[in-house]
Amino acid sequence: AQSVTQLDSQVPVFEEAPVELRCNYSSSVSVYLFWYVQYPNQGLQLLLKYLSGSTLVKGINGFEAEFNKSQTSFHLRKPSVHISDTAEYFCAVSDSGTGGYNKLIFGAGTRLAVHP
Amino acid sequence: NAGVTQTPKFRILKIGQSMTLQCTQDMNHNYMYWYRQDPGMGLKLIYYSVGAGITDKGEVPNGYNVSRSTTEDFPLRLELAAPSQTSVYFCASSYSWEAQYFGPGTRLLVL
Repeated sequence: AQSVTQLDSQVPVFEEAPVELRCNYSSSVSVYLFWYVQYPNQGLQLLLKYLSGSTLVKGINGFEAEFNKSQTSFHLRKPSVHISDTAEYFCAVSDSGTGGYNKLIFGAGTRLAVHP
Repeated sequence: NAGVTQTPKFRILKIGQSMTLQCTQDMNHNYMYWYRQDPGMGLKLIYYSVGAGITDKGEVPNGYNVSRSTTEDFPLRLELAAPSQTSVYFCASSYSWEAQYFGPGTRLLVL
């Protein structure tokens, strides 16, 4: 079964600074990867996804992530963060499990705190 | 479109009580899911459904039941509430397994 490790539980950063949120997954023959964002007291919203093709994936709100198969990583980056980016970010990987049905396995989350 | 809606937003239960968490989606998605979110633990899948009349267990199904009589609705039932079920519950739906759309969540406290 797949597993996801988010290496940092909290990441403090100043406004307009770059940020990287790290995510590693367990290896598999084929893998699909996702980043979700959760703003306070809200549900999760899809930021971006990697299914195939280019390893650099661009998402909403200026975020991007790079799929690195050799390092089994899918780190999320943004070159300049805003106060409004303060939220919890979840990395997720698909898991085919039994019956061929793909379901998502989530990491524990990284809390991004942007300071003025 | 309202997307995925959940009711109630908050609930306090006593140990041993039962309740149903409601989830409705208006996107005609076949796939629906129930997750629980505990601090520092990410989301754990409780049950999922790939269509009306078809449900299956996820990672943490004990203490819960589901049904899927229509495409739109996927209620989650807690029969005998326990303090370990204190959590935030999220319902989600998707057209395929790729991108899931989440509801706003239900905060449940069992005392």
